[in-house]
Amino acid sequence: GAGVSQSPSNKVTEKGKDVELRCDPISGHTALYWYRQSLGQGLEFLIYFQGNSAPDKSGLPSDRFSAERTGGSVSTLTIQRTQQEDSAVYLCASSLVGGAFRGGYTFGSGTRLTVV
Amino acid sequence: SQQGEEDPQALSIQEGENATMNCSYKTSINNLQWYRQNSGRGLVHLILIRSNEREKHSGRLRVTLDTSKKSSSLLITASRAADTASYFCATELQGAQKLVFGQGTRLTINP
Repeated sequence: GAGVSQSPSNKVTEKGKDVELRCDPISGHTALYWYRQSLGQGLEFLIYFQGNSAPDKSGLPSDRFSAERTGGSVSTLTIQRTQQEDSAVYLCASSLVGGAFRGGYTFGSGTRLTVV
Repeated sequence: SQQGEEDPQALSIQEGENATMNCSYKTSINNLQWYRQNSGRGLVHLILIRSNEREKHSGRLRVTLDTSKKSSSLLITASRAADTASYFCATELQGAQKLVFGQGTRLTINP
């Protein structure tokens, strides 16, 4: 596609429920990144994919968080047993190759997750 | 602690004036980038400066990088109301393939 597409754009869920957030990167971008942004804060790195593998998942805050990428394209971030502190905007970005040296990231518009 | 820290946290100026935002970081980098964010959603890449570069221009944007001081500045000249947004610096650390973002500067341009 022309840009990075994320769905849903907004998600309200009850505490304890599982949620899945989807990211469809730019076609041909091999690198994909997930970030989280709490209200008024900077971006917190979660996980990086190169192709279908995740060489850096150091930012996942707990084992309730997992992510996968299939076919070198679409990625899904899953949060199990959601907690109120998981409320944030989840941003996905892609780039042509791993490492931003060759250019910047292209971000999606994010999924605003609210846990009630 | 944050790799990148922006200063000031908030800046309000009149349209037509120049806006300067600063970013400091702690460890060696491959490059430093600046992004703009409107309305708390997706970020837009503005400019990238490599560790061996000292200054870069793009339209009304001027970025400087001082690796000895581990700092960068973003200058927006002749500001417009449409420049109102949050601006983030992001560093790619040596040996890593991810960007580390600062907390951002909230810029308001008053008409």
